[in-house]
Amino acid sequence: KAGVTQTPRYLIKTRGQQVTLSCSPISGHRSVSWYQQTPGQGLQFLFEYFSETQRNKGNFPGRFSGRQFSNSRSEMNVSTLELGDSALYLCASSLRQPQETQYFGPGTRLLVL
Amino acid sequence: AQSVAQPEDQVNVAEGNPLTVKCTYSVSGNPYLFWYVQYPNRGLQFLLKYITGDNLVKGSYGFEAEFNKSQTSFHLKKPSALVSDSALYFCAVRELGFKTIFGAGTRLFVKA
Repeated sequence: KAGVTQTPRYLIKTRGQQVTLSCSPISGHRSVSWYQQTPGQGLQFLFEYFSETQRNKGNFPGRFSGRQFSNSRSEMNVSTLELGDSALYLCASSLRQPQETQYFGPGTRLLVL
Repeated sequence: AQSVAQPEDQVNVAEGNPLTVKCTYSVSGNPYLFWYVQYPNRGLQFLLKYITGDNLVKGSYGFEAEFNKSQTSFHLKKPSALVSDSALYFCAVRELGFKTIFGAGTRLFVKA
C-alpha cells in the first residue's frame, strides 16, 4: 500500500505571499491531520479533517486554513506568509477513530524569505 | 489541559546497553498514547501505542513501552540499543476530539 504523499517537498516563498500544500492519504484512510514542526515550538497540531469536515483545529491564526476533498486528499493554505511560518509541515492520515494510528508523510519544508 | 512532557532533551547510551526514553502525560479520561521516531529530513514513523489492556506494549524494531497509570508515564524502552536507533523520539497523546499533542522530543544518541 502506498504511504502518505505530500507535495511539494520543498518550497521557498517571500513574505506576504500565500502557499498551498497538498496531502494524499493512504488508500482507505479518511482522516487527515496537519502539523507544523519548528525547532522552537516542536510539533503543533493545525487541524484535522474527516469526510470533508474539520473536526478539530489548533491554536493558529486564521491565515492557516485547510480543506478536504471527497477523495480524502487534503490541502492546507497559508496566506500572507510571515518569516515565522518557515517550518516543516507534516500531514498524517488514519482511519476514523482517535485511537487509530496516524501515518505521516515526509513533510513539506517551507522557507519564507 | 492535556499535556505531554519528555523531561530529557537528549539521552546517550552505548550500543548493546538498554535504553529508556521518558514520557509523562496529563489528560482527562483514558489516554491514547503513542511513540513515534523521526530520522533526519523525514516524517514521523509509528513505533507503538497504548489504547487499553496490557500495560506493556510491544512495538516495531524491538521497542516496548510501559503504561503506568498511577505515575501517568509511558516510557519507551529497548533491551539492547543499536547505533541505528539514533534519532529523535516523540511521545504523543491523542484526545477524543482528534487533536494530537506531542512532547518536545528526545534525541537519542547511541555510541558504538
